[in-house]
Amino acid sequence: DQQVKQNSPSLSVQEGRISILNCDYTNSMFDYFLWYKKYPAEGPTFLISISSIKDKNEDGRFTVFLNKSAKHLSLHIVPSQPGDSAVYFCAASALGGTSYGKLTFGQGTILTVHP
Amino acid sequence: DGGITQSPKYLFRKEGQNVTLSCEQNLNHDAMYWYRQDPGQGLRLIYYSQIVNDFQKGDIAEGYSVSREKKESFPLTVTSAQKNPTAFYLCASSIRGFSGNTIYFGEGSWLTVV
Repeated sequence: DQQVKQNSPSLSVQEGRISILNCDYTNSMFDYFLWYKKYPAEGPTFLISISSIKDKNEDGRFTVFLNKSAKHLSLHIVPSQPGDSAVYFCAASALGGTSYGKLTFGQGTILTVHP
Repeated sequence: DGGITQSPKYLFRKEGQNVTLSCEQNLNHDAMYWYRQDPGQGLRLIYYSQIVNDFQKGDIAEGYSVSREKKESFPLTVTSAQKNPTAFYLCASSIRGFSGNTIYFGEGSWLTVV
């Protein structure tokens, strides 16, 4: 049962353009969402998060949007830079139920930013 | 510097052997986690601990064991019962083990069965 899904395995964009990474979830108990960036053979690094009481959160070039009714979130990177090339994971946690106290991750999307 | 230290970075295991992966954090975090990543896949939770002397199974706990005797340490043992142990293992920690907290990861350990 894949509770967090990233349906696009990969995304390729030109430097300077916008990158949009998408994530869908099924568990209505999820109330906190995070995006991580990961390079091969390294641990993920935290990028940005959003609570379910918000629909948008910005941090520099990174903006996360949350649509609770659609159970969908997205990460926008503007402008994209070659150094942004990595695997991006979305993750979710819940106030209770079987997901309490832990993060559930999507499968990841490989972002490639071309110079 | 504060952080999460995993060791060893690379580990080879023979069939039938148990191996233990170390995870130490000096962030004063209460909660610690172990995840596994297989090629082309997301991270799956093995075990997590919200407080010393307490831990819970994650989604794929079979064939693994953990202990949490100290706040700073959360070692993972991969037992011979784990049928497909070759993977990248990630330890993580957070201030508290419930929703709303960002978790931070170590650099990972590669385990290969030979």
